[in-house]
Amino acid sequence: QVQLLQSGSGLVKPSQTLSLTCAISGDSVSSNSAAWNWIRQSPSRGLEWLGRTYYRSQWYNDYAVSVKSRITINPDTSKNQFSLQLNSVTPEDTAVYYCARDFYTKNSGWYTVDYWGQGTLVTVSS
Amino acid sequence: QTVVTQEPSLTVSPGGTVTLTCASSTGAVTSVFYPNWFQQKPGQAPRALIYSTSNKHSWTPARFSGSLLGGKAALTLSGVQPEDEAEYYCLLYFGGAWVFGGGTKLTVL
Repeated sequence: QVQLLQSGSGLVKPSQTLSLTCAISGDSVSSNSAAWNWIRQSPSRGLEWLGRTYYRSQWYNDYAVSVKSRITINPDTSKNQFSLQLNSVTPEDTAVYYCARDFYTKNSGWYTVDYWGQGTLVTVSS
Repeated sequence: QTVVTQEPSLTVSPGGTVTLTCASSTGAVTSVFYPNWFQQKPGQAPRALIYSTSNKHSWTPARFSGSLLGGKAALTLSGVQPEDEAEYYCLLYFGGAWVFGGGTKLTVL
């Protein structure tokens, strides 16, 4: 059973950096079949995929175009976790942030986003 | 900018059947978009229901099923229960990026 446990600050000032961490149990951040995603949800934008990190003989990242210039997602293999940094935040970045696993089964060609963190409400306000 | 579209709201009677759909602005949805479906209730994280068009997770009730229908991904609930009242989201894969639909609010009335 995979579990994802989020931590990080719930209040960030405008122009500063949002930082969250997602600790993984029951799987490895270095898995060759999984990718580790950040997703956010707000009333104005709905659910929005932000990006992911994954290991396929080397580390890769994919980022949403909407945040590409401001986002960094990093793995931490020593702690089996991954992190989100979003720079230069504005009130529009206020949302509930989730981490989630996506998993690809090569032999059957299945692709699932299955396990989610508990969510962290991040408010951008001075 | 790719847009994934769902019905904003649907209403179904208890015991009835309802189908939610998921369309892509890029054209027909096929299996290579690996459609995923999620249920979300207020104050909770989304819960995965269906992956890769029609596959159920071990926790997915049998009354939920997924398919492709008329160029869209579809989620069908058969024998709807009051506890199925929730928001439902689809998710499509566009080669390195996931895109969520806007969600369908399902009312059981």
